[in-house]
Amino acid sequence: GENVEQHPSTLSVQEGDSAVIKCTYSDSASNYFPWYKQELGKRPQLIIDIRSNVGEKKDQRIAVTLNKTAKHFSLHITETQPEDSAVYFCAASKGAAGNKLTFGGGTRVLVKP
Amino acid sequence: SAVISQKPSRDICQRGTSLTIQCQVDSQVTMMFWYRQQPGQSLTLIATANQGSEATYESGFVIDKFPISRPNLTFSTLTVSNMSPEDSSIYLCSAREGATTGELFFGEGSRLTVL
Repeated sequence: GENVEQHPSTLSVQEGDSAVIKCTYSDSASNYFPWYKQELGKRPQLIIDIRSNVGEKKDQRIAVTLNKTAKHFSLHITETQPEDSAVYFCAASKGAAGNKLTFGGGTRVLVKP
Repeated sequence: SAVISQKPSRDICQRGTSLTIQCQVDSQVTMMFWYRQQPGQSLTLIATANQGSEATYESGFVIDKFPISRPNLTFSTLTVSNMSPEDSSIYLCSAREGATTGELFFGEGSRLTVL
């Protein structure tokens, strides 16, 4: 089955700096790659996603890039703010919307004011 | 977007007992899933709850331990049977709304502590 690796496991950045989280996946048939943010004690929430027919997607301070050949995708957060502190999970799935998501191990991001 | 409610939100259980977690979605959804999240860890899929038929379990999870029901398009239950301290975890219900959208919505989770 699909295996998703996520790095780093923890990331500490100064407020205003950028943060980058990287994920690799094993199944070349995967075609949907979402990123979830989970604040302490809260549910995971989708922040951005990308499909395999797109190489990059941006939403304000958040961007995701996908390299299908290398089977890796990355989350970029620019101008980080204290409220960006959370755990971020990447995930991958294939086929129709009914298919399951396989999650990476998570990255704990701490933005220091 | 779908709103998912779970109950109980938390519980403390005795070893050897069973607990059923309920998940209610405010709209009809095509797919429902149950995940487990152990403290400080990632989300692990337990099973896909299939409407009107038996759930599809992931490797390492079995129906006798985690029986799942899904009687309609808005409701599902997960039972954690014959609990041991290793079952202490957060159990998350999740759902996808339709066949063309990829977004997976999550409930707030049910935090179980087994003594």
